[in-house]
Amino acid sequence: RKEVEQDPGPFNVPEGATVAFNCTYSNSASQSFFWYRQDCRKEPKLLMSVYSSGNEDGRFTAQLNRASQYISLLIRDSKLSDSATYLCVVFTGNQFYFGTGTSLTVIP
Amino acid sequence: GAVVSQHPSWVICKSGTSVKIECRSLDFQATTMFWYRQFPKQSLMLMATSNEGSKATYEQGVEKDKFLINHASLTLSTLTVTSAHPEDSSFYICSAKRSNQPQHFGDGTRLSIL
Repeated sequence: RKEVEQDPGPFNVPEGATVAFNCTYSNSASQSFFWYRQDCRKEPKLLMSVYSSGNEDGRFTAQLNRASQYISLLIRDSKLSDSATYLCVVFTGNQFYFGTGTSLTVIP
Repeated sequence: GAVVSQHPSWVICKSGTSVKIECRSLDFQATTMFWYRQFPKQSLMLMATSNEGSKATYEQGVEKDKFLINHASLTLSTLTVTSAHPEDSSFYICSAKRSNQPQHFGDGTRLSIL
């Protein structure tokens, strides 16, 4: 079983839509969780860390469910510029594990 | 915010050449640096983890004699692809982190071996 599993998509949504991505992880001792955004042929950029209590940054909301071992990312009011691949990343204390990424395309 | 610089950003060279890629953390001291490789439309594949002053820990299947990693200081790690061949062509990305902070990525090096 993979350390981190993520639906690769693609997700094609109209501008203004709300879209949610989920990611599951296998190691119950995982310590830290992150969402990264990667544009085509570019390096990943940290979008937000994910905290146990859930956290919000503008249109982006991240949540962590330790009991079920999944994290989620919600994007409200999608913009064209949100089109990218979203990577779920889990840190076990020794190593970072990446999901395969979820591709999002926001359509005008 | 944390800035990681990677150089060069694009390399094209002949088969058999050795290529060195530098990764620098510009505004923080990185306790750990990571080297990744990414093929088109795939996620990042961790190649090795390096801590300053220690030998790098390579992932299974990554040849340590092929991909030489040196982490000489808290702000610099280098990856040398020795005797590169066309199958080594890829996007190589480093990242750096300090203590309990998330990792931050360099802008990647696109390596093309002819």
